Amino acid sequence: AQSVTQLDSQVPVFEEAPVELRCNYSSSVSVYLFWYVQYPNQGLQLLLKYLSGSTLVKGINGFEAEFNKSQTSFHLRKPSVHISDTAEYFCAVRRMDSSYKLIFGSGTRLLVRP
Amino acid sequence: NAGVMQNPRHLVRRRGQEARLRCSPMKGHSHVYWYRQLPEEGLKFMVYLQKENIIDESGMPKERFSAEFPKEGPSILRIQQVVRGDSAAYFCASSPEDRFYNEQFFGPGTRLTVL
Repeated sequence: AQSVTQLDSQVPVFEEAPVELRCNYSSSVSVYLFWYVQYPNQGLQLLLKYLSGSTLVKGINGFEAEFNKSQTSFHLRKPSVHISDTAEYFCAVRRMDSSYKLIFGSGTRLLVRP
Repeated sequence: NAGVMQNPRHLVRRRGQEARLRCSPMKGHSHVYWYRQLPEEGLKFMVYLQKENIIDESGMPKERFSAEFPKEGPSILRIQQVVRGDSAAYFCASSPEDRFYNEQFFGPGTRLTVL
């Protein structure tokens, strides 16, 4: 079975400061990794994904994430956040041998303050 | 190209009533997935459907819940005799093909409140 852990339920940060949202996963098989963002009253939007290749993945809105296989982590980072980045962020995995079932973490609420 | 549509966005039901949640996938998408998000939790997979077929319903509660995706019209998630524990956000996603690199596009969700 797979599981995804997002230890931080809420991360407050000041505008223009850097941020890192942590994601660790557990799986007995190889997985693909994803970060989604959910703005208030909207659906989930894909930020970035890791399928293979370079372990540093760049996504939309200036976000990036690094896959660390030995630590089973996929932390999300942004060097300088904006007020508009305030949202819920979900880390998810999908088994390589299953092409549809996403397993989500419990989410991290990023709160950007002026 | 319109995104995934879900309606209603908010639904209030009393215990024992039925809830019907609708999902219209993106144009050209023939695969639909339903996920449920309980308060303070992440989304959990419920069911995967293609037109007129249920492919995987391993995440669906055994009783009271059913899903369909008819040849014409939206996908429907139906909850009979709702209980307070059914209160959650229900998200629908769609994709054009069942290939690993295809993204699942999510709708805005239906927030169900059971009184």
